Amino acid sequence: DTGVSQDPRHKITKRGQNVTFRCDPISEHNRLYWYRQTLGQGPEFLTYFQNEAQLEKSRLLSNRFSAERPKGSFSTLEIQRTEQGDSAMYLCASSFSRGPSSYEQYFGPGTRLTVT
Amino acid sequence: GESVGLHLPTLSVQEGDNSIINCAYSNSASDYFIWYKQESGKGPQFIIDIRSNMDKRQGQRVTVLLNKTVKHLSLQIAATQPGDSAVYFCAELGTSYGKLTFGQGTILTVHP
Repeated sequence: DTGVSQDPRHKITKRGQNVTFRCDPISEHNRLYWYRQTLGQGPEFLTYFQNEAQLEKSRLLSNRFSAERPKGSFSTLEIQRTEQGDSAMYLCASSFSRGPSSYEQYFGPGTRLTVT
Repeated sequence: GESVGLHLPTLSVQEGDNSIINCAYSNSASDYFIWYKQESGKGPQFIIDIRSNMDKRQGQRVTVLLNKTVKHLSLQIAATQPGDSAVYFCAELGTSYGKLTFGQGTILTVHP
């Protein structure tokens, strides 16, 4: 499968614990996005990478949220001191920034986080 | 951002009927609009897009209509099939780096 993959698919954690999610984009894609989706709503943009550079992170929900893409390939999203309100689906998407279809983002299956 | 309630609009159709899903967008400066299909437990899947200088675009069994005057987007699905059952979202593409802003979803249920 050459699509976007995310790991884990499901995560249950207790309030106050830290969690880390991984995203592996499509291999030739240089742009990587993180979104959050709560029940009944569309995905909400969180942050964006162009290669290894995080060029937009103002929409990260709080300073408990951080993301990295150290070698311009896979990315991680970490949530520290989780709260029940962090329960959501975390989606990763990737795209290739050159060419006529450079805006087309391919989404992974998401990581569903449940904070108890 | 959007203010979206927990109760999504729903559309129920019979197999073989045509479906029309509507969406209102907010940013008149958006250059691209995209329809996504999201099945249960999966990420959104690209269906079709339209640029702001167009008012209609057709794909395989799908047509997107754009009315910039009233900031309205619609997705028409011809000969709807049970496999089309999903939540459908419209999205606006903004900024130079491709941030997507999603509108309210619509639940489409196709009955055999």
